[in-house]
Amino acid sequence: TQLLEQSPQFLSIQEGENLTVYCNSSSVFSSLQWYRQEPGEGPVLLVTVVTGGEVKKLKRLTFQFGDARKDSSLHITAAQPGDTGLYLCAGQVGSSNTGKLIFGQGTTLQVKP
Amino acid sequence: ETGVTQTPRHLVMGMTNKKSLKCEQHLGHNAMYWYKQSAKKPLELMFVYNFKEQTENNSVPSRFSPECPNSSHLFLHLHTLQPEDSALYLCASSPSSEETQYFGPGTRLLVL
Repeated sequence: TQLLEQSPQFLSIQEGENLTVYCNSSSVFSSLQWYRQEPGEGPVLLVTVVTGGEVKKLKRLTFQFGDARKDSSLHITAAQPGDTGLYLCAGQVGSSNTGKLIFGQGTTLQVKP
Repeated sequence: ETGVTQTPRHLVMGMTNKKSLKCEQHLGHNAMYWYKQSAKKPLELMFVYNFKEQTENNSVPSRFSPECPNSSHLFLHLHTLQPEDSALYLCASSPSSEETQYFGPGTRLLVL
């Protein structure tokens, strides 16, 4: 069974603080996506990383794909209340053409003003 | 992002009811998916359709029956569900089955 371990599961911080969310697996993924989900809505894609070692930046969010394509991290600088939500990582199974995404359990982030 | 729409957004049904969830994508994608999201559990893939053909059934009970009449529409027919089937049901689509998936807003289902 392929698993994607996401940590921490819950995070409550003050506005302006920095944080990092981790996504780890023993499996190799052909790509990895990060999504953000708000209550009552579907996940919204933030970024897709494909190449081992790749770093992508989206304003205050920095995403990194591990060299071996088994892990990823999301770093948020100077968090804002608008960053509050559920962050999900999802790995695309390597050689599969069935579209199977493996999701982590998610990190619930609360940023207090 | 309103490329993937789902109806209804909320549904309450009894265990003997029959209902259907609808998903429509306006993105020209060829692959569509059904996921189940329960509290404290990772998103669970249920079904994958690629060019209208089912390519994945992730050991889903037969009380859930998918239908994909064309690449833009996906249905999930529900029959004699159990209370533990209460969850957020999400539809997604992607250009092909190996590309990034885009999600709809989900249908919040409550089975009484």
